[in-house]
Amino acid sequence: DIVMTQSPDSLAVSLGERATINCKSSQSVLYSSNNKNYLAWYQQKPGQPPKLLIYWASTRESGVPDRFSGSGSGTDFTLTISSLQAEDVAVYYCQQYYSTPLFTFGPGTKVDIK
Amino acid sequence: EVQLVQSGAEVKKPGESLKISCKGSGYSFTSYWIGWVRQMPGKGLEWMGIIYPGDSDTRYSPSFQGQVTISADKSISTAYLQWSSLKASDTAMYYCARLLVYMDVWGKGTTVTVSS
Repeated sequence: DIVMTQSPDSLAVSLGERATINCKSSQSVLYSSNNKNYLAWYQQKPGQPPKLLIYWASTRESGVPDRFSGSGSGTDFTLTISSLQAEDVAVYYCQQYYSTPLFTFGPGTKVDIK
Repeated sequence: EVQLVQSGAEVKKPGESLKISCKGSGYSFTSYWIGWVRQMPGKGLEWMGIIYPGDSDTRYSPSFQGQVTISADKSISTAYLQWSSLKASDTAMYYCARLLVYMDVWGKGTTVTVSS
């Protein structure tokens, strides 16, 4: 099974500052035949279902603000919020979808305003 | 608009059975996998399993195999998650989501509370 870890567990960032969340998989989620990383990022605000932000590690879902970006390959990935807004307070999860049918999530990173 | 509408909150006693639902609309329900995700109170997301409504091919996370049953009725574009004998530890929010490999559309969730 692929195990996903995230760091930090939580972080507090001032409005307008950068927030960086790391995600690591226990084995590579890069599929060599298509050179795609099978890694997604979701945002979950309190009392709401998760929302897809990023897929294929770096492709922003339609309608997601461009202050959100994803990067990384293989086993190490990063979600960056370039300029934190109040509405970005949430828990962020990474998920691998490489290992069918066990598409494991990371434990989540809580982002707050400092 | 693509939507997944989940059934309402449930309060059950230990040992009771339960079936919750997830109805898809706005897309071809039989052409995409549906996944189920558990979120226990104050905790993270746990992958439970998936079903392909087109042929009811179903796969389970080992953690949930034998604990729940995932099914679908393609004639009414609805997927289901059921328990034959609930435990207090099944108390959680349960989400369904459409899979485009990743999960692009989510239902609002069904809260299940199991308490004597």
